[in-house]
Amino acid sequence: ETGVTQSPTHLIKTRGQQVTLRCSSQSGHNTVSWYQQALGQGPQFIFQYYREEENGRGNFPPRFSGLQFPNYSSELNVNALELDDSALYLCASSLTDRGTEAFFGQGTRLTVV
Amino acid sequence: DQQVKQNSPSLSVQEGRISILNCDYTNSMFDYFLWYKKYPAEGPTFLISISSIKDKNEDGRFTVFLNKSAKHLSLHIVPSQPGDSAVYFCAASVEYGNKLVFGAGTILRVKS
Repeated sequence: ETGVTQSPTHLIKTRGQQVTLRCSSQSGHNTVSWYQQALGQGPQFIFQYYREEENGRGNFPPRFSGLQFPNYSSELNVNALELDDSALYLCASSLTDRGTEAFFGQGTRLTVV
Repeated sequence: DQQVKQNSPSLSVQEGRISILNCDYTNSMFDYFLWYKKYPAEGPTFLISISSIKDKNEDGRFTVFLNKSAKHLSLHIVPSQPGDSAVYFCAASVEYGNKLVFGAGTILRVKS
């Protein structure tokens, strides 16, 4: 039990639609990161939010966007869904202090058809 | 460009023996390395980490070794148990655990 919860656990969307994934971080953690894990690959960093501001972004297009709220919850939004967006989406919360590892939620499995 | 590589997709080990999982990296700016374990339908779970100023870190049955000159790290599990069967991910960071770069993972099967 990491204290990080994600919803929904599974989701099916049609190409071109928009989707919002949600994450509740571990209490006290002011940093949340989102990762995309395609089948057979490791998680790939999408972006990170620190105190409600974007604090780094991986190699993902602008149609991937996020929000972080004061109550330790966050959202990942994806517009104009493509078939290749089908993946497991993971959020991870952490403190920014040195030497602190990230705690992951169980993920949301997104299927785009 | 894969900055973190786990070249063995799978590993099978007998219960009680040592499991050695390997990881190579290319970015010399990485200063923090972590191992995560993942069971099906669960998110990755933190296992053990090591800072670039150390060459070894031990936690119970798990030991991580870092060879900076070779840009190589390894995870040793001794003794291996059937419950250790999972996917193991190596990850690296330039910011002490944030913005992780992951390898593709190694499936470990511990046979009883």
